[in-house]
Parts: sequence; structure tokens; C-alpha cells
Amino acid sequence: DIQMTQSPSSLSASVGDRVTITCRASQRLNNYLNWYQQKPGMTPKLLIYAASSLQSGVPSRFSGSGSGTDFTLTISSLQPEDFATYYCQQSYSTPYTFGQGTKLEIK
Amino acid sequence: QVQLVQFGAEVKKPGASVKVSCKASGYTFTSCDINWVRQATGQGLEWMGWMNPNSGNTGYAQKFQGRVTMTRNTSISTAYMELSSLRSEDTAVYYCARRRGAGSSDYWGQGTLVTVSS
Repeated sequence: DIQMTQSPSSLSASVGDRVTITCRASQRLNNYLNWYQQKPGMTPKLLIYAASSLQSGVPSRFSGSGSGTDFTLTISSLQPEDFATYYCQQSYSTPYTFGQGTKLEIK
Repeated sequence: QVQLVQFGAEVKKPGASVKVSCKASGYTFTSCDINWVRQATGQGLEWMGWMNPNSGNTGYAQKFQGRVTMTRNTSISTAYMELSSLRSEDTAVYYCARRRGAGSSDYWGQGTLVTVSS
């Protein structure tokens, strides 16, 4: 199985900050890397697919980059509604494993 | 609009089976694979497997092989995930999700809470 490691596991930031979350895979993914946001009690929401493609309806302050085994999710200017847990997921080979999550909290 | 509708909750005893349903609407059911993902309370997301509603082909995570069965009824646009030999560690919210670009899951059901308790 491909192991996905996110860092940091938790992060405190302020509204307006630029935030970056990283995700490292145990093998190359050919850009089959997705990012999700989950708020407490809610279903996950797709933000980025194929490493850098913005899902329809997602604000442009979210962006994804990376290739090979190393990927990043960047939020350019944090908004109050962005405080949530973020997960990366590889869809290169089954099982489509998720990272352990990064909890983004208000400073 | 695309919707995946799941029923709220099930309570099962250890050793029993549960069958979770996921009714799709707003798109052609047979055109997109369905992923199943679970999440224990306070824990992360765990991918369980996928099903192609057109062919019925499936792929399961090794962890669940032999215990999980994913099926569908195309006449009512509904996917099912059955998990057998339940144990307390299977207590979780079970989500279905439509599989789209690059294998991502773009629409999710609201989840079914399965509680395994004696």
C-alpha cells in the first residue's frame, strides 16, 4: 500500500495568513493526488484533484502543487470558514489511501 | 443537482452484518464509479473499495477482503455496501462518494453511522 504522510498534523493560524500543508507519498503518484476539507460533523469536500486542478465552486485562494511524491496545498489568505481538517488522498493505486489529516485551528 | 442519499444510522451486534445503501440522483448512475469510505469517531478517512455501477466490477482494500461486498441496483440508481462479521472496531460513519477526475470523490453521501455493540 502507498503510505501518505501529511505535515503538520495540526496548525494554528490567523485570518489572512498564507498556509501551506504538505503531503508526502511513499511512492510516485503520477499526480493522482487529491485534497479534501472536512468540517466537524460534515462530509468531506473535494478541493483539488490531480494535484493542481481546482474543483468547481472552490475559491481560488486554494491551490495545489507538486509532483512525484511531494505535494502541497496552499491557502493564500485564510478566511474564517477555512478552519477545518484537511486530508490528502492518493488515487494512483488501490487502496486509495488518505493522509492522517491536518487540523487547521484559529490562533 | 447531484445527490447521494444515505440513511442515518444502524445498530448491530458483534458478528452480524450491515448493508448500507446509497441512492444516486442528478446524474447517470452507471456513468461513474462509487467509492466507499469510512471514518471512526474522531479519526481519519479510510478508503474501503470501489464499484463500477455499469459493469458491477469491484475492487476492495485488502483489509476488508472477504468481509465486504459492494453491489448495485441500476433500476433504482442505488449502490450498496455490505460488511459482515462486524466487530466493535467497525463502528464508524460509512460514506459513499462519486468517483470522478483522477479518481477523486467529488460528491459524497451524508454518511451512515454504523454502531457495533453488544
